[in-house]
Amino acid sequence: DVKVTQSSRYLVKRTGEKVFLECVQDMDHENMFWYRQDPGLGLRLIYFSYDVKMKEKGDIPEGYSVSREKKERFSLILESASTNQTSMYLCASSGTPSTDTQYFGPGTRLTVL
Amino acid sequence: AQSVSQHNHHVILSEAASLELGCNYSYGGTVNLFWYVQYPGQHLQLLLKYFSGDPLVKGIKGFEAEFIKSKFSFNLRKPSVQWSDTAEYFCAVNRRGNNRLAFGKGNQVVVIP
Repeated sequence: DVKVTQSSRYLVKRTGEKVFLECVQDMDHENMFWYRQDPGLGLRLIYFSYDVKMKEKGDIPEGYSVSREKKERFSLILESASTNQTSMYLCASSGTPSTDTQYFGPGTRLTVL
Repeated sequence: AQSVSQHNHHVILSEAASLELGCNYSYGGTVNLFWYVQYPGQHLQLLLKYFSGDPLVKGIKGFEAEFIKSKFSFNLRKPSVQWSDTAEYFCAVNRRGNNRLAFGKGNQVVVIP
């Protein structure tokens, strides 16, 4: 079974703090993704990575950056957290073909006070 | 940019009723189509997907979806729902050869016992 794990299920941070969200997959997948999920808005892609050290902006990259130093690990960074970044963050991974299923982690619910 | 439309965000129905959730996409090229489901407290998982062949695809838990190319649609159906089908359902589309998925806003389905 594919396993995608995220470092925290719940996180509470203060405005202006730097926040790191970690994601690890165990299937040797080339592609990894960060989404945010908000009620009524579905999933929106923040960034994705198709290889180590490679990244591409998604639909809502502002206020976020990412790091992929190893194939299995993809980090999302909020340089200076703001209240409008309070959300559920989902990580996913998939193999190379575009027909491949994306496998999701359990999500991190981030609250920024 | 391609977009994915899901209507009737909230659906409430009784057990044994039939369910149909609509999904329309705007991209005109060759696409891959997915339905994902998120049960309460669980992570997002694949219900079914289509990328070629028979346009009627069957997924897990008795779900099926039909790809109608002329209508740019990929509607999800289940003839008789159960209480355990209470979940949020997301349609997603990507362009063939491009791993970026565009998600619809989701359908929150509640099945009353």
